[in-house]
Amino acid sequence: DTAVSQTPKYLVTQMGNDKSIKCEQNLGHDTMYWYKQDSKKFLKIMFSYNNKELIINETVPNRFSPKSPDKAHLNLHINSLELGDSAVYFCASRDRGTNYGYTFGSGTRLTVV
Amino acid sequence: GENVEQHPSTLSVQEGDSAVIKCTYSDSASNYFPWYKQELGKRPQLIIDIRSNVGEKKDQRIAVTLNKTAKHFSLHITETQPEDSAVYFCAASDSNRLAFGKGNQVVVIP
Repeated sequence: DTAVSQTPKYLVTQMGNDKSIKCEQNLGHDTMYWYKQDSKKFLKIMFSYNNKELIINETVPNRFSPKSPDKAHLNLHINSLELGDSAVYFCASRDRGTNYGYTFGSGTRLTVV
Repeated sequence: GENVEQHPSTLSVQEGDSAVIKCTYSDSASNYFPWYKQELGKRPQLIIDIRSNVGEKKDQRIAVTLNKTAKHFSLHITETQPEDSAVYFCAASDSNRLAFGKGNQVVVIP
């Protein structure tokens, strides 16, 4: 059983399109995150939800909108995709109360052409 | 917010030698310090962590040390093997989020 699963694994799309990435965790964690990893490998936090409530919203363009229907799911929708959005997007989860490390999903490699 | 600095950015070592990666953090409220290993094309995976009430922790060939006063922590890998080649990230956390360093590319030369 995969603990944190993301779909799709690869996404190639044209500029201007709208796309979504889905994330699900079966660890019973209460907090989920989206990170963007650029070509230089830097992991930059984008959003965090705790029990469906948005708790972290970094300086991210409005074209990015997270949605958490329940604490086991955190999806990322991106409107009007741009070339600079090309990156690997990682979902992660943790149990905020115990303050342990994240468990990462396998990543979604987004390529905008 | 928390700022984590990590050096060096790349490190090449001969197989069997030791590798040390150092990180500093800025927020004295941070109390949890994990290390992640990311192999090419894969997800970051937790390899070892330490809490602020502990100065050192060891797990086989990997050890982490923490100096709270100086706000720095280090990862030590002994008897390096080719499979240790990866990008290593340090991170520091309060209860809300992990702030990551920029990563360190470790290359173990056979």
